[in-house]
Amino acid sequence: SYVLTQPPSVSVAPGKTARITCGGNNIGSKSVHWYQQKPGQAPVLVIYYDSDRPSGIPERFSGSNSGNTATLTISRVEAGDEADYYCQVWDSSSDHYVVFGGGTKLTVL
Amino acid sequence: QITLKESGPTLVKPTQTLTLTCTFSGFSLSTSGVGVGWIRQPPGKALEWLALIYWNDDKRYSPSLKSRLTITKDTSKNQVVLTMTNMDPVDTATYYCAHSRSITIFGVVTTYYFDYWGQGTLVTVSS
Repeated sequence: SYVLTQPPSVSVAPGKTARITCGGNNIGSKSVHWYQQKPGQAPVLVIYYDSDRPSGIPERFSGSNSGNTATLTISRVEAGDEADYYCQVWDSSSDHYVVFGGGTKLTVL
Repeated sequence: QITLKESGPTLVKPTQTLTLTCTFSGFSLSTSGVGVGWIRQPPGKALEWLALIYWNDDKRYSPSLKSRLTITKDTSKNQVVLTMTNMDPVDTATYYCAHSRSITIFGVVTTYYFDYWGQGTLVTVSS
């Protein structure tokens, strides 16, 4: 089965740029989606189709995907961005199933 | 406005069968390209996808849990039901249902993502 690998944690100072990676075999050939989850809340979609933002998501959130790594980039990080972030793909190569990464805890210093 | 809400027991005993219902509004599960999925999250752990049912009644299950899961839909009631058999304490988790949308290129579905989520329901498995 397809595996997505995320770093367990990323730390960044306010105002700086955070980059959260999601690794997978030839992930660049798949579409990657990203979710933000704050404590006690349901996940929220922040990036879909590698780099598109749903309405209401700040432009500070962006995404890219190439080769074996997809990246969620958060510019001008704010305290309110502190959360867990998950990447997700839909694996059409096998039996068409959904895969989530293990999640990354973003800490704002 | 799309909303989803999970309902079901908060406590089940080991070996019992769990039945969860997702009641939604703001969309129709007979619309092409739409799906409803179930995702769970054990306390302090990562999201785990369980099942997805598509507008055309096609169904997909997590390979590791496939033998225990059944997902069905009732389009007239705007509900999706997930059953999980032989519950174990390790199945203790918050269970979410979510609206899933597809991206189609030249008539071929290339991906699905979850753009609206329910609030989740905590299910504890204990005797």
